Amino acid sequence: DVKVTQSSRYLVKRTGEKVFLECVQDMDHENMFWYRQDPGLGLRLIYFSYDVKMKEKGDIPEGYSVSREKKERFSLILESASTNQTSMYLCASSLYRASDNSPLHFGNGTRLTVT
Amino acid sequence: QKEVEQDPGPLSVPEGAIVSLNCTYSNSAFQYFMWYRQYSRKGPELLMYTYSSGNKEDGRFTAQVDKSSKYISLFIRDSQPSDSATYLCAMSAEGAQKLVFGQGTRLTINP
Repeated sequence: DVKVTQSSRYLVKRTGEKVFLECVQDMDHENMFWYRQDPGLGLRLIYFSYDVKMKEKGDIPEGYSVSREKKERFSLILESASTNQTSMYLCASSLYRASDNSPLHFGNGTRLTVT
Repeated sequence: QKEVEQDPGPLSVPEGAIVSLNCTYSNSAFQYFMWYRQYSRKGPELLMYTYSSGNKEDGRFTAQVDKSSKYISLFIRDSQPSDSATYLCAMSAEGAQKLVFGQGTRLTINP
């Protein structure tokens, strides 16, 4: 079974702090994704990566950056956390593209609160 | 207007009922349609996958796609309390690298 592990279940940070969210997958998947999930808004894609050191902006990249130095690890960085970044953050990975019947495998999420 | 619209609910039905969950979409290029199920405090997991139009059945679950109406449905027969979860539709176009998700419908099955 594919396992996607997010380093923290809950995080509380202060406004202006630099925040790192870490994600590791154990199935040698090419693609990795960061989403945020908010009530009424569903899942929104922040960034994704289809190869080591490659990254693509998703639908809401503002205020975020990512790093993928190794195939199994994909980090989301909040350069200067703000209260509107309080959310559930979900990492996912997939073997192939979305259109190739390649399911997304999600971690269990990190609930970030910025005060 | 969002590319994918899904009624967020909440939807509450008695055990044994037939449940119908629906999504509409605006992008006629979408060819791949999925339903994900998300239990409380867990990440979503793939439940059903359908390519183009038609029906797909898996046990108590049936996924339907009507591309002419840009409408997809998930039916749950003989619903069980263990089906209580948030259900998210997702879809993508040919060659796409990413999915577009609906808002999710929160479903509760009452014993």
